[in-house]
Amino acid sequence: SQQGEEDPQALSIQEGENATMNCSYKTSINNLQWYRQNSGRGLVHLILIRSNEREKHSGRLRVTLDTSKKSSSLLITASRAADTASYFCATYSGYSTLTFGKGTMLLVSP
Amino acid sequence: DGGITQSPKYLFRKEGQNVTLSCEQNLNHDAMYWYRQDPGQGLRLIYYSQIVNDFQKGDIAEGYSVSREKKESFPLTVTSAQKNPTAFYLCASNTGTGVYEQYFGPGTRLTVT
Repeated sequence: SQQGEEDPQALSIQEGENATMNCSYKTSINNLQWYRQNSGRGLVHLILIRSNEREKHSGRLRVTLDTSKKSSSLLITASRAADTASYFCATYSGYSTLTFGKGTMLLVSP
Repeated sequence: DGGITQSPKYLFRKEGQNVTLSCEQNLNHDAMYWYRQDPGQGLRLIYYSQIVNDFQKGDIAEGYSVSREKKESFPLTVTSAQKNPTAFYLCASNTGTGVYEQYFGPGTRLTVT
């Protein structure tokens, strides 16, 4: 069963614009992770935010977590064509493994 | 170079044949995972192993089998019992459970006709 659900399913923006993706989940979590996948490739870990954290930054990435709303957002600032990829959230609830959402496809046009 | 390797990148098989996908890691990770990815479906967990000689079923284990005889290797066999085996298969590893980030291999695209 999939815990995280990303929104929107697809997003198309111009280079230089910001991209925001959201993730909602159903049960309480230990941590939430964001991954990127370029077409036909494996996933790459971007950032992990723990349940007691509200915001985290890594370069042009900003992740927020609202445990009361069971939601997280990933903001990519000043997007580049190289950011074109699918982005997945994954949740860990303290039982065995991560549960991945279906992903958001981001297209950044030059 | 440390990382996870999967081979081959593309694999073609006839219906009714078993096929084994390779996954090797030199990250000294205890835990390894197999996922299946279909278009629009995200990643679904097939099997995982937290330690050598032990593994657990994931959400969609039917028609698949695994072994974990060595820490660095976690091969996945897609058996003829798997009704719809054509998919992109991803292997991952980490230091254990979901507390830590997972490191992914490049994937194997299996096509069964």
